[in-house]
Amino acid sequence: AQSVSQHNHHVILSEAASLELGCNYSYGGTVNLFWYVQYPGQHLQLLLKYFSGDPLVKGIKGFEAEFIKSKFSFNLRKPSVQWSDTAEYFCAVMSYSGNTPLVFGKGTRLSVIA
Amino acid sequence: GAVVSQHPSWVICKSGTSVKIECRSLDFQATTMFWYRQFPKQSLMLMATSNEGSKATYEQGVEKDKFLINHASLTLSTLTVTSAHPEDSSFYICSPSQGGYTFGSGTRLTVV
Repeated sequence: AQSVSQHNHHVILSEAASLELGCNYSYGGTVNLFWYVQYPGQHLQLLLKYFSGDPLVKGIKGFEAEFIKSKFSFNLRKPSVQWSDTAEYFCAVMSYSGNTPLVFGKGTRLSVIA
Repeated sequence: GAVVSQHPSWVICKSGTSVKIECRSLDFQATTMFWYRQFPKQSLMLMATSNEGSKATYEQGVEKDKFLINHASLTLSTLTVTSAHPEDSSFYICSPSQGGYTFGSGTRLTVV
């Protein structure tokens, strides 16, 4: 069965600091990978996704993620965070077979302080 | 992108009553809808998968007689929490298999 591990439960950063949130998955086959963000009181919003091709994926709001197949990782990065990035971030994986549900990590809460 | 409308956004109900949650795909047809729930400080967990015109499939540990799913049309899937209890209080969210991996806005259910 697939599983997703997000190592950081809560990350606190100052504005302008760089961000990297870890995500590792376990699945033997080909996968599609996702990062979602959930702002306080709002619904899930897709930040970026990886299906194939360039393992460095650029998403919205200045976020990017790198797929490293050998490490089963898909870490999320942003060079300089803003206060408005305060949110919960979820990594998710889906098997490549399609029409299958996403398996989510437990999420990482990011708090950005001024 | 694809738009999924989920209602209600939040609901408070008394223990023992039933609550219906609706998910509508507004600009596409959803043959399959995934239903997730998220308990406080936990991740989203798949509850069940509804398929238009056929019976839903439920994940292990999810009572099919308690969480009734209906997917009668290509644009509407509903989840009814029957005889709700406080332990059913959670955030319920739908996501169509088509539609670019989008999610409904979620329903926060509080059972008192």
